[in-house]
Amino acid sequence: QKEVEQDPGPLSVPEGAIVSLNCTYSNSAFQYFMWYRQYSRKGPELLMYTYSSGNKEDGRFTAQVDKSSKYISLFIRDSQPSDSATYLCAMIKLSNQAGTALIFGKGTTLSVSS
Amino acid sequence: NAGVTQTPKFQVLKTGQSMTLQCAQDMNHEYMSWYRQDPGMGLRLIHYSVGAGITDQGEVPNGYNVSRSTTEDFPLRLLSAAPSQTSVYFCASSYLRGPYEQYFGPGTRLTVT
Repeated sequence: QKEVEQDPGPLSVPEGAIVSLNCTYSNSAFQYFMWYRQYSRKGPELLMYTYSSGNKEDGRFTAQVDKSSKYISLFIRDSQPSDSATYLCAMIKLSNQAGTALIFGKGTTLSVSS
Repeated sequence: NAGVTQTPKFQVLKTGQSMTLQCAQDMNHEYMSWYRQDPGMGLRLIHYSVGAGITDQGEVPNGYNVSRSTTEDFPLRLLSAAPSQTSVYFCASSYLRGPYEQYFGPGTRLTVT
């Protein structure tokens, strides 16, 4: 079983739709939970991060973490064509011996049509 | 700040050739890492470093070497290129404290024929 599972999609929605992107994980040692956005032929950029269970909102984006279920979500409200990208969840394991290791999901490709 | 820079942007190698992908950052980040990104496989960690002189293997280290002699630079060496190493390679860096935001370079597209 992979440590982080993410449905690769693709996901196609009309402009204005609410989008839900999800990841599950198996290792309870993960401490920081992140969402990266990657436009075509570019490097990923951090969109949001959370440290604990609960919700975090930033404009049209809401990140949700449920540690008891080992499940994280990213919601996009009023989706726009500019939101078309690949969204990758990522999680950090902190190790005293070797520093940190950031583990990515495979990414979900989102297309928002106008 | 230039952020994270990678060279070259594109490279074509023949099987068996060796080369070094360069990565540099000017943010004084302790942590640096190399990923490869393949269709359907996501980002996979090759090697990482938590400081000068300290490196460790990630998920897919075979066929690659790294060293970290300075805080700024973290080159990735392909010892004997194979077609299976055709991929897009990303270098990333971050501070070693929360939230550990990774800053990525623009990537190197490598083709091995």
